[in-house]
Amino acid sequence: KAGVTQTPRYLIKTRGQQVTLSCSPISGHRSVSWYQQTPGQGLQFLFEYFSETQRNKGNFPGRFSGRQFSNSRSEMNVSTLELGDSALYLCASSPGQGEQPQHFGDGTRLSIL
Amino acid sequence: SQQGEEDPQALSIQEGENATMNCSYKTSINNLQWYRQNSGRGLVHLILIRSNEREKHSGRLRVTLDTSKKSSSLLITASRAADTASYFCATLPGAAGNKLTFGGGTRVLVKP
Repeated sequence: KAGVTQTPRYLIKTRGQQVTLSCSPISGHRSVSWYQQTPGQGLQFLFEYFSETQRNKGNFPGRFSGRQFSNSRSEMNVSTLELGDSALYLCASSPGQGEQPQHFGDGTRLSIL
Repeated sequence: SQQGEEDPQALSIQEGENATMNCSYKTSINNLQWYRQNSGRGLVHLILIRSNEREKHSGRLRVTLDTSKKSSSLLITASRAADTASYFCATLPGAAGNKLTFGGGTRVLVKP
């Protein structure tokens, strides 16, 4: 069974641009969560989607948004990029909401110049 | 903000030695999990311990949980060079969906 797939693996953007990251969960998994990892703040929860609906949201500004499609694939979008958005963005999937453990992808490394 | 602290922040040991790391958290939890992260990669789930459990084993891993002290420990026995990684504890409060809150992590270096 294929694991969680995140694309692209690496991305370089400049301040003010916007970016879209993609996550394909493990087949059959319907819950997708996103996390941001930075050296300063560590791993922080962004949001969780289940059945195409956002179920939980972390403490991030509205520039961070996401969505989930009917096939459970998810995208997250960051608009008006800031230098502080440079991070590893990790996606995790699980069979259902609240079902553990979560399975993580290798992440998208986003660098803002 | 992070749920808690991990101690130590870094650990260097020789192959064959045991490695112990601790995690403290702040709020009541449904379960606590430990993950491993190799450099530049995603998180790999190691073990989950529920709030009504006190100890759990998986291969060379032993996890304890003390809910009265809001703390957990991860012991890796007979460490190998391949165990070199960062280790994170993560807590899941009750009724929080999949919103994991992570500790700051312990970087473990196992020298051959």
